[in-house]
Amino acid sequence: EDQVTQSPEALRLQEGESSSLNCSYTVSGLRGLFWYRQDPGKGPEFLFTLYSAGEEKEKERLKATLTKKESFLHITAPKPEDSATYLCAVHASGGYNKLIFGAGTRLAVHP
Amino acid sequence: DAGVIQSPRHEVTEMGQEVTLRCKPISGHNSLFWYRQTMMRGLELLIYFNNNVPIDDSGMPEDRFSAKMPNASFSTLKIQPSEPRDSAVYFCASSSLPALSGSTDTQYFGPGTRLTVL
Repeated sequence: EDQVTQSPEALRLQEGESSSLNCSYTVSGLRGLFWYRQDPGKGPEFLFTLYSAGEEKEKERLKATLTKKESFLHITAPKPEDSATYLCAVHASGGYNKLIFGAGTRLAVHP
Repeated sequence: DAGVIQSPRHEVTEMGQEVTLRCKPISGHNSLFWYRQTMMRGLELLIYFNNNVPIDDSGMPEDRFSAKMPNASFSTLKIQPSEPRDSAVYFCASSSLPALSGSTDTQYFGPGTRLTVL
């Protein structure tokens, strides 16, 4: 069964304190791995798509990486405005564009 | 582009009442997804439409839930009768790839409808 596990569930950082969020996945064949950011009271906002092991993508203070079993979202020198829930989702091969979401990591960055 | 539009943003109703949630996907997108988000279960896919046709409704919890997509720019999710355990945030998302294209594409989410059933 396709499965996505995110860790930690919650993370508290001081402003400027870099860290990483983990997304472990078990799928029959990965077609794409997605990272979304979700602010309270809003819908998930697309950040990145990764397609194959070794791929990396960056956006401002965020960098996403992918291996055959997991993905990391690295946050460098975070700011309070980076506080949000970060969701990971996978699209397994076979069938339509169905995403399996992890439970998310709640990030709080304090000044 | 205005993005995915959902209405209402908040809905409070009493148990037993009918609830209708509405979604307008991004223009040009031909795939539409309805999700439900709760603290306990996270984001769950309820139903998926491609070219206005329901492809997978295996996530619809029970017969009280129904969804329609009469045209490419409008979809509804209806709950009748509603129950307190239906309280959740319901999201609509759309993407631009055909159903079985063999590749993937980004799903763009609307702002959600927060449903409270008393």
